[in-house]
Amino acid sequence: GENVEQHPSTLSVQEGDSAVIKCTYSDSASNYFPWYKQELGKRPQLIIDIRSNVGEKKDQRIAVTLNKTAKHFSLHITETQPEDSAVYFCAASIRSGTYKYIFGTGTRLKVLA
Amino acid sequence: SQTIHQWPATLVQPVGSPLSLECTVEGTSNPNLYWYRQAAGRGLQLLFYSVGIGQISSEVPQNLSASRPQDRQFILSSKKLLLSDSGFYLCAWSTSGRLGDEQFFGPGTRLTVL
Repeated sequence: GENVEQHPSTLSVQEGDSAVIKCTYSDSASNYFPWYKQELGKRPQLIIDIRSNVGEKKDQRIAVTLNKTAKHFSLHITETQPEDSAVYFCAASIRSGTYKYIFGTGTRLKVLA
Repeated sequence: SQTIHQWPATLVQPVGSPLSLECTVEGTSNPNLYWYRQAAGRGLQLLFYSVGIGQISSEVPQNLSASRPQDRQFILSSKKLLLSDSGFYLCAWSTSGRLGDEQFFGPGTRLTVL
């Protein structure tokens, strides 16, 4: 069935270092891959997304890469700051006419000052 | 601009009691609507989604149900709550008819079943 795997489940980095979170998906028809950031007790919010016709997208300190052949995509955060500490979720769209998304299990990122 | 509301924000209910959580969206028409549950420290589990009034798709077997009585209203219900129903319930919407668009989440309802 449809599945999105996300690694690692927890990640600690020193302030200023880079963080990388990786996801793999199973449905080769998936064509949209968003990343959400969820701070403690709050709603998930979109931070960046990528479509299947693009290999890489960057927005300031955040970038996402997509490898369609291998069916995996990654979130890269450079020059991490304490306010980057949160849970990050990847997701993949499922092309079944239902407009639904499958989410990864989340990565808890801690940026140590 | 579009906004999404959920209420109540928090709820404490005894086991076996009924449940009704409401979600409404403003500023858009015919949205796709979704209910997710997030257990403590866990990921987002899709419970139900709807592409139109009266159209509900269930993702997992459970003692919850959903209804969409109006275009921009989505309700999550239960006749008898279980302890395992505790969690953070999130409603979300996305633009209809387009696959591959951002989902916007509501502020969530934190449900504790005792």
